[in-house]
Amino acid sequence: AQSVTQLGSHVSVSEGALVLLRCNYSSSVPPYLFWYVQYPNQGLQLLLKYTSAATLVKGINGFEAEFKKSETSFHLTKPSAHMSDAAEYFCAVSDSNYQLIWGAGTKLIIKP
Amino acid sequence: EAQVTQNPRYLITVTGKKLTVTCSQNMNHEYMSWYRQDPGLGLRQIYYSMNVEVTDKGDVPEGYKVSRKEKRNFPLILESPSPNQTSLYFCASKPRGRGGEQYFGPGTRLTVT
Repeated sequence: AQSVTQLGSHVSVSEGALVLLRCNYSSSVPPYLFWYVQYPNQGLQLLLKYTSAATLVKGINGFEAEFKKSETSFHLTKPSAHMSDAAEYFCAVSDSNYQLIWGAGTKLIIKP
Repeated sequence: EAQVTQNPRYLITVTGKKLTVTCSQNMNHEYMSWYRQDPGLGLRQIYYSMNVEVTDKGDVPEGYKVSRKEKRNFPLILESPSPNQTSLYFCASKPRGRGGEQYFGPGTRLTVT
């Protein structure tokens, strides 16, 4: 069965610092992986996705994620945090039935 | 514009009063889904539909009903709402295939008193 673990319900970084949000998955089929972002009082929108092409995936707003099969990880990074990045971030894996299995989410807090 | 719409966006109601939250998508997607989001619990799936007239229970279906009579619409029905159904609800749709992204509606904040 598929599952997703996001390490840290809250992550706090200073403005300008590196953002690293961790996601580990388990999947019985080759995984398709997604990162979504939810800004305050809004719905979720896709940041980026991995669908078995390049292992380094670039998304919107300067975010990227690297698929590492050996580590079963799909961590999200951004070199320099901006105040506007404050949001909740969700990692998800697509199961064999086209459903998305969701992580619990990580709230990113940006300190001025 | 490709989008998922939900109505109403905000709703305050009383225990036991039937309500329907509508969801509509204009992208011709086969798959649609309802989630609820509660603090500390992330997204939990209520029901989903792989196509017209095909619906299945998600992780937390108790107290909810859905129907899928048309491809574009997927209403969520609470026959007898209770306070533990106070939550933020999201509708989503996606095209066929594992790689397709889910498109989310703006959310419906429901309060049951």
